[in-house]
Amino acid sequence: QVHLVESGGGVVQPGGSLRLSCVESGVSLRVSGMYWVRQTPDKGLEWVSFIRYDGSDKNYVDSVKGRFTISRDNSKNTLYLQMNSLRPEDTGVYYCAKVSIATVGPYFARWGQGILVTVSS
Amino acid sequence: DILLTQSPLSLPVTPGEPASISCRSSQSLLHSNGYIFLDWYLQKPGQSPQLLIYLGSYRASGVPDRFSGSGSGTDFRLKISRVEAEDVGVYFCMQALQTPPSFGQGTKLEIK
Repeated sequence: QVHLVESGGGVVQPGGSLRLSCVESGVSLRVSGMYWVRQTPDKGLEWVSFIRYDGSDKNYVDSVKGRFTISRDNSKNTLYLQMNSLRPEDTGVYYCAKVSIATVGPYFARWGQGILVTVSS
Repeated sequence: DILLTQSPLSLPVTPGEPASISCRSSQSLLHSNGYIFLDWYLQKPGQSPQLLIYLGSYRASGVPDRFSGSGSGTDFRLKISRVEAEDVGVYFCMQALQTPPSFGQGTKLEIK
């Protein structure tokens, strides 16, 4: 069975850093765009960052621009999110989500199980 | 940005009774290809969102036929014909006409 598995979450102090990873087992990530989506008590579900299948285009929600960096290593089937200068409002569950390559169908083909990030002193 | 507004935010339902959730969009979600770019998800406690309905009305694989999606333009609805105990959780609508996608606030369904 195909899975997306996140890792790298945890508890960090404000101003600290974390690096999230997302690995897809069984199928190559390399043809799909990928998102990081987070779920916070204040804002619910919101997209955080997007990367094109080949890494040539990256986008960020305004609140994380300049602090977070998305990247991918297609040879390792792995997506990353480097999170620096973390703030308490970044606390939440972070999901990686794979964009479907089908022209007609659901937007996301798959979601990871989620990883908790807690920013607190 | 497209804003999605769900109602109600809380939905207590007696097992066996129907349930309905509304999702209103600030813009039409009709794509030029004729499809509605709205998906519905259920997030059970402690789990990631699971797809129920895509393109407004197409049931995802493995989803019971008691779930149905309808609507057009800016007004959409998810209906459960007969609620079962396993249907508890938070239901989200999500639009993908404009990317990045945006989500409704969620509707928490609980069993009375």
